[in-house]
Amino acid sequence: LAKTTQPISMDSYEGQEVNITCSHNNIATNDYITWYQQFPSQGPRFIIQGYKTKVTNEVASLFIPADRKSSTLSLPRVSLSDTAVYYCLVGGGATNKLIFGTGTLLAVQP
Amino acid sequence: DTGVSQDPRHKITKRGQNVTFRCDPISEHNRLYWYRQTLGQGPEFLTYFQNEAQLEKSRLLSDRFSAERPKGSFSTLEIQRTEQGDSAMYLCASSPSGRDGYTFGSGTRLTVV
Repeated sequence: LAKTTQPISMDSYEGQEVNITCSHNNIATNDYITWYQQFPSQGPRFIIQGYKTKVTNEVASLFIPADRKSSTLSLPRVSLSDTAVYYCLVGGGATNKLIFGTGTLLAVQP
Repeated sequence: DTGVSQDPRHKITKRGQNVTFRCDPISEHNRLYWYRQTLGQGPEFLTYFQNEAQLEKSRLLSDRFSAERPKGSFSTLEIQRTEQGDSAMYLCASSPSGRDGYTFGSGTRLTVV
């Protein structure tokens, strides 16, 4: 499974757009890119998934360049409640398990 | 509530005791996963079931650990002769397929004293 690298932590202020970039240089052709959010004492929660180009849902956008060796999770107008750990994962197809890294701790301040 | 349920939410046990956790997945999900998470780390895969069949086990799952899913519905994870290093959050997740629709429970936090 492809290994991912993402910043350990990021700081932001309420109302700002936050972009978290993840590197996955060894991504395989059939791998998808998935982002999860985790609050303390809770299980991870699915945010968004994509294969290439751009995906947008009601909470975030995911930008994937043509070479797919990186991806960027974009959170528009963050609020204090977006303070959490964000995990980038790659895998898919026949892969049955998720491989988590240490994630990015996003701290949103007032 | 149709999410993944885990019981208990918290468990404190003495070293050497056995503990058992339960996971009730989303009813239409045939895949069930167990993960373990220690402080500051991402969840680590332990084992995976498709229906009642246990299809994969991590090397993290020592012989003190056993998981079952007898009727392809709920699952149990038992840890025998607990050690302090077993202290962690144990997460269960279910999915209708290998890639899509993973839903995690809130976990069981185990503290071994």
